[in-house]
Amino acid sequence: ETGVTQTPRHLVMGMTNKKSLKCEQHLGHNAMYWYKQSAKKPLELMFVYSLEERVENNSVPSRFSPECPNSSHLFLHLHTLQPEDSALYLCASSQEFAVAGVPHEQYFGPGTRLTVT
Amino acid sequence: QKEVEQDPGPLSVPEGAIVSLNCTYSNSAFQYFMWYRQYSRKGPELLMYTYSSGNKEDGRFTAQVDKSSKYISLFIRDSQPSDSATYLCASGNEKLTFGTGTRLTIIP
Repeated sequence: ETGVTQTPRHLVMGMTNKKSLKCEQHLGHNAMYWYKQSAKKPLELMFVYSLEERVENNSVPSRFSPECPNSSHLFLHLHTLQPEDSALYLCASSQEFAVAGVPHEQYFGPGTRLTVT
Repeated sequence: QKEVEQDPGPLSVPEGAIVSLNCTYSNSAFQYFMWYRQYSRKGPELLMYTYSSGNKEDGRFTAQVDKSSKYISLFIRDSQPSDSATYLCASGNEKLTFGTGTRLTIIP
């Protein structure tokens, strides 16, 4: 495997289900990100981890719970979601989060297409 | 007002045409500007990365930033069907703010 991988690629879940999205990066990066991409809306940054520590949490509802057990893996745990949470969830990684205020190039995975019924 | 505004399109142009994609941003403190390309069923990939005002050229692609008007542009020369994708602009400092993306189709 190379780059950033995400599983599953597609997920359909009911509002009472609990599921997890998985992301793995094979690039030796220290920062990982979760984004939400909805039609006709800007890419929304949800969480950022740098060296396994959460450094950004953009007012995301608590029904989304991230976990970063090591610098190569990132999870997004989902529970009691709403239909408006249906979207493409993208994971990304970068060498560092930001050094001296300079953003690094982010490498994105293919995303998980989530549908909440 | 959104921090980064981008016309979502769709935009269709014939093969070989020059394509102009544009964004505006509201935060004058933004110093870094990027263009990402996203093919269908794929994640975005970085196309161009610029700092402050000015132009940057890479092959058929030119990125232009005008900080005085807070305007970001991406020009594609000699457009090819393989350029058909969604193009996302992003700007910021430590943290990037993305536009909605413009869906571009190059017609053979």
